[in-house]
Amino acid sequence: SYELTQPLSVSVALGQTATIACEGDNIEVKNVHWYQQRPDQAPLLVIYRDNNRPSGIPERFSGSNSGNTATLTISRAQAGDEADYYCQVWDSSIRVFGGGTKVTVL
Amino acid sequence: QITLRESGLTLVKPTQTLTLTCTFSGFSLNTNGVAVGWIRQPPGKALEWLAVIYWDDDKRYSPSLRNRLTITKDASKNQVVLTMTNMDPVDTGTYYCASEHVAVASDAFDVWGQGTTVTVPS
Repeated sequence: SYELTQPLSVSVALGQTATIACEGDNIEVKNVHWYQQRPDQAPLLVIYRDNNRPSGIPERFSGSNSGNTATLTISRAQAGDEADYYCQVWDSSIRVFGGGTKVTVL
Repeated sequence: QITLRESGLTLVKPTQTLTLTCTFSGFSLNTNGVAVGWIRQPPGKALEWLAVIYWDDDKRYSPSLRNRLTITKDASKNQVVLTMTNMDPVDTGTYYCASEHVAVASDAFDVWGQGTTVTVPS
């Protein structure tokens, strides 16, 4: 079965840029989606199909996908960006989530 | 505005069957390209996809839980029901339903319910 690997944690200084990797075999051929989950809240879609932002998501959130790694980038990090972030793909008609990355804003 | 809400018993004994209902509004599960899925999250752990049902009644299940899960829909009532048999304490967690609208966000889960916490005591 397809697997997605994310770092357990990422730290970023306030106002700086955070990058979160999502690794999977030849992931570049798949559509990668990213979700933000703040403490005690439901997940929120922040990026779909590699680099598209749903309505209401700030431009500070961007995505890319190449080779075996998809990346979520959070520019000008704010305290409110502190959350868990999950990547997700569709593989052979099933959905697969990464293990999640905890982003801490220092 | 699209909303989803999960409901069902929150305390289930080992070996019993869990039945959860997702009641949604703001879209129709009769519309081409629409789906509703279930995802769960054990306490302090990652999201785990469980199942999805499409507008045309096509269904997909997590391979690891396939033999325990059944997903059905009643489009006229705007509801999707998930049953999970033979519950175990490791099935404790928060269960979410979420919608997919291919025309809007590809196969991403674009709107989520608030989740319902299910406990299976040991």
